[in-house]
Amino acid sequence: EIVLTQSPGTLSLSPGERATLSCRASQSVSSSYLAWYQQKPGQAPRLLIYGASSRATGIPDRFSGSGSGTDFTLTISRLEPEDFAVYYCQQYGSLFGGGTKVEIK
Amino acid sequence: QVQLQESGPGLVKPSQTLSLTCTVSGGSISSGDYYWSWIRQPPGKGLEWIGYIYYSGSTYYNPSLKSRVTISVDTSKNQFSLKLSSVTAADTAVYYCARVGYSYGYALPWGQGTLVTVSS
Repeated sequence: EIVLTQSPGTLSLSPGERATLSCRASQSVSSSYLAWYQQKPGQAPRLLIYGASSRATGIPDRFSGSGSGTDFTLTISRLEPEDFAVYYCQQYGSLFGGGTKVEIK
Repeated sequence: QVQLQESGPGLVKPSQTLSLTCTVSGGSISSGDYYWSWIRQPPGKGLEWIGYIYYSGSTYYNPSLKSRVTISVDTSKNQFSLKLSSVTAADTAVYYCARVGYSYGYALPWGQGTLVTVSS
């Protein structure tokens, strides 16, 4: 069973800064099957990235995904106020990572 | 566009069976391009995948919940359902249903979620 470990647990940054979030798999994962979601309080998760690096429809280009094998990264190039939220990675419609909270510093 | 809506009791007693239904509108659950998934989120915690089903009835469950979970599909009603047996307070969560793309495995769209509380 694959385990996805996200780090850090919490990221404290200011608007305009760059955010780098990590998702590490316990064994190799196909890049085609790695997705990232954003979740705000009281809302369902929102798909940001699929196939490790493809942005979902309507997602701003400040969000980018990269990685392969066991190491994947979500980067937010310049944080906007609406980007402060919790982010999850997921492997092929199944297991999720534990999440990274991006909070305002 | 496709929309999903969860329904079912908001309160379940310990040791009983939690039952939820997800109704799909704007598209057919019999499309071979998708799986249909259940995900939950305990208050203040992260997302937990429960399982998913193909329209043919093939199911895939989280190993940690497999002994208590049954997911079924009713193509005539365009619905799929979740049953979780022998519930405890640890099963209190917001339960989401979602459509999962067969090719890439991402969940889109999601239902709005429904809170199920396990309490006597």
